[in-house]
Amino acid sequence: DAGITQSPRHKVTETGTPVTLRCHQTENHRYMYWYRQDPGHGLRLIHYSYGVKDTDKGEVSDGYSVSRSKTEDFLLTLESATSSQTSVYFCAISEGRRETQYFGPGTRLLVL
Amino acid sequence: QKEVEQNSGPLSVPEGAIASLNCTYSDRVSQSFFWYRQYSGKSPELIMSIYSNGDKEDGRFTAQLNKASQYVSLLIRDSQPSDSATYLCAVGKTPLVFGKGTRLSVIA
Repeated sequence: DAGITQSPRHKVTETGTPVTLRCHQTENHRYMYWYRQDPGHGLRLIHYSYGVKDTDKGEVSDGYSVSRSKTEDFLLTLESATSSQTSVYFCAISEGRRETQYFGPGTRLLVL
Repeated sequence: QKEVEQNSGPLSVPEGAIASLNCTYSDRVSQSFFWYRQYSGKSPELIMSIYSNGDKEDGRFTAQLNKASQYVSLLIRDSQPSDSATYLCAVGKTPLVFGKGTRLSVIA
């Protein structure tokens, strides 16, 4: 298995609070991604990174920010959580342009 | 808008049969194609990657790519109940675009 961990694995929070999810890799891969997965919508890209401090938006980036200060860590922040952000969040990594992505175990987030 | 389309299913096949999963995509310049399997409550795991037209076989799995028709498929031979899962097609370069997945049910 690719060395990808996500923390926390489960989180319950209240509307309006900030939330930070962490993705950590031990593979030294250049690319890291954050997805959310919801019934009926499949996997949707939130943000991705192509290097330290190099990030770009995905299709559902509103309400989310990311940071990558080290190759191994990619943080996703919900600045003010809303109930619509209740979802399962997956981190993924890939080494290069051939784009084989490997996924972390996921984080289940419930916003009350 | 880059799109990847899959039949949501469920696709039900008897044990031992061939399961055929299909995917079409809209971006003609797509260069890489992937099939992922996702069990309920788990993360997607890579089954196959294919980059050139034709067939690629790995055990019971065969991926087929036809760039002219913008079509990629996955065949699962001798289907087993353990193959019951959602299969995601992914297409592209950076970043990948995922289909919504096809749910496969293999009936013992």
